[in-house]
Amino acid sequence: ETGVTQSPTHLIKTRGQQVTLRCSSQSGHNTVSWYQQALGQGPQFIFQYYREEENGRGNFPPRFSGLQFPNYSSELNVNALELDDSALYLCASSSRTGMTDTQYFGPGTRLTVL
Amino acid sequence: DQQVKQNSPSLSVQEGRISILNCDYTNSMFDYFLWYKKYPAEGPTFLISISSIKDKNEDGRFTVFLNKSAKHLSLHIVPSQPGDSAVYFCAAQDPDSWGKLQFGAGTQVVVTP
Repeated sequence: ETGVTQSPTHLIKTRGQQVTLRCSSQSGHNTVSWYQQALGQGPQFIFQYYREEENGRGNFPPRFSGLQFPNYSSELNVNALELDDSALYLCASSSRTGMTDTQYFGPGTRLTVL
Repeated sequence: DQQVKQNSPSLSVQEGRISILNCDYTNSMFDYFLWYKKYPAEGPTFLISISSIKDKNEDGRFTVFLNKSAKHLSLHIVPSQPGDSAVYFCAAQDPDSWGKLQFGAGTQVVVTP
């Protein structure tokens, strides 16, 4: 068990709605990354937060946004939900030391958009 | 574009035998590689990693080999156990985009008795 927690576990929304997903990072970690995993695919990088600032973003539209709090927990917000947003959303925490970044994942939030 | 590829979607291996999972990448700037294991309804679990300055890293039953000239890495699991049945993901870190891991599509491993 990594110590990374996510809530909620499952969520069902309808098209056009907004959703907020939450993540608590592992103790001692100051960096949180968010990934989207569609069925049958590997996780796709959405963005990363380091010391409360966005630090790198993948190919996701601006309606995907996030926050990191002083305790290093994080939120992922998705506006104007589309059917294709249905996926497993994974949060990973890490500690920025050295040149490598071993990320430890939470259990994920399964989002279904109807 | 898919810069990390796992071309074998599935692998079946007998308990006690060796499992070999393969991963290819196209970006020569990748400098750190990781393997994750994922059970259904759980997040990926970190298994083992290797830096681009090494060609082998071993941790218990798991060994990762890196061939930079071929842009290829492999994960060996010896001996395979029923609990190893899971999806395995290869991931690579791009030094130009610190913290962004690029994942392959995964290989489903089934260990049979």
